[in-house]
Amino acid sequence: EDQVTQSPEALRLQEGESSSLNCSYTVSGLRGLFWYRQDPGKGPEFLFTLYSAGEEKEKERLKATLTKKESFLHITAPKPEDSATYLCAVVTHNNDMRFGAGTRLTVKP
Amino acid sequence: EAGVTQFPSHSVIEKGQTVTLRCDPISGHDNLYWYRRVMGKEIKFLLHFVKESKQDESGMPNNRFLAERTGGTYSTLKVQPAELEDSGVYFCASSQSGRKLFFGSGTQLSVL
Repeated sequence: EDQVTQSPEALRLQEGESSSLNCSYTVSGLRGLFWYRQDPGKGPEFLFTLYSAGEEKEKERLKATLTKKESFLHITAPKPEDSATYLCAVVTHNNDMRFGAGTRLTVKP
Repeated sequence: EAGVTQFPSHSVIEKGQTVTLRCDPISGHDNLYWYRRVMGKEIKFLLHFVKESKQDESGMPNNRFLAERTGGTYSTLKVQPAELEDSGVYFCASSQSGRKLFFGSGTQLSVL
């Protein structure tokens, strides 16, 4: 069965303290892996799409990487405004998008 | 450009009542998706429209849920009769290519 697991469930960082979020997946026929950011009361906001192992994408303080079994979202020198829930989702061979439960990130000043 | 809009933002109803959620996708987006997040769980796929046709409705939990997309524009999701376990946040998303999805802010449904 296709599964997406994110860890940790929650992460508290001090401003400037870099860290990584993990998304591990077991799917049949990965067609893409997506990272979204979700703020309270809002819908998920697209960050990155990764399609093949070894691919990397960067945007400001965020960098996403992909292997055959997992993806990492690296956050370098985070700021309080980076606080949000980060969601990972995979698109399977039949074009279903399956989400992980998310990592709730809090960055304290 | 207007994003995906959902109405209402919140709905509180009693068990057994009917509720209809509405989603207006981004203009020109043929793909429209409904998702649901039940408290403490991950966001789960409900169904996918391409224009007015249901491409995939494998995630619809049961026949109390009815989704329509007349004319391939806005979509409605009706729950009739609502049960307690239907409570959660219902998200709509639209896409031009079927790859990058744009989400609405969701409808928080509470069934008492």
